[in-house]
Amino acid sequence: AQTVTQSQPEMSVQEAETVTLSCTYDTSENNYYLFWYKQPPSRQMILVIRQEAYKQQNATENRFSVNFQKAAKSFSLKISDSQLGDTAMYFCAFMKHMYNNNDMRFGAGTRLTVKP
Amino acid sequence: NAGVTQTPKFQVLKTGQSMTLQCAQDMNHEYMSWYRQDPGMGLRLIHYSVGAGITDQGEVPNGYNVSRSTTEDFPLRLLSAAPSQTSVYFCASSSPGQAYEQYFGPGTRLTVT
Repeated sequence: AQTVTQSQPEMSVQEAETVTLSCTYDTSENNYYLFWYKQPPSRQMILVIRQEAYKQQNATENRFSVNFQKAAKSFSLKISDSQLGDTAMYFCAFMKHMYNNNDMRFGAGTRLTVKP
Repeated sequence: NAGVTQTPKFQVLKTGQSMTLQCAQDMNHEYMSWYRQDPGMGLRLIHYSVGAGITDQGEVPNGYNVSRSTTEDFPLRLLSAAPSQTSVYFCASSSPGQAYEQYFGPGTRLTVT
């Protein structure tokens, strides 16, 4: 079974600075998706960014970017110009790319606090 | 477009009681899932469905039943509630055509006493 590990239970960053959240995963699959989800205090889960394993180029979405290292099975999230609204739990997730599969596995999460 | 809706938002049960958590989506997504979220453990998959009439077990299926008679609805049944099922429950829907992005409902906080 696939496992996802987030080794940083809590992190903090000053407003406007950059922070990187770590994620590693364990799989023998070659074709899969990786995701970062954000959960603010409202409890709503929101997709931040997605990476397809077959794409070598790292995904970016505005201030959010990833460093995808397939051989190392590492998928870190970089948040640039941190804003107070980025304060949330962040979850890394993995899903095999396979017909009729909807089995998504999440890490335990990293609680990020952005300080003014 | 309401997205994914869940009812109720909060529920308190006594040990041994049964109940159904409701989930509906209006995005015509083929796939739907149920997760539970416990402190320090992230989200864990309970059951999922890839279409009407098709369901499969996830990581933590024991104590829960599901069925999918329509594309829109995916109820989760607790047959005999236990304190270990105290958690926040999330329903999600997705589509292979949208690269499996999970759209989540607002969650149901369940307490079993």
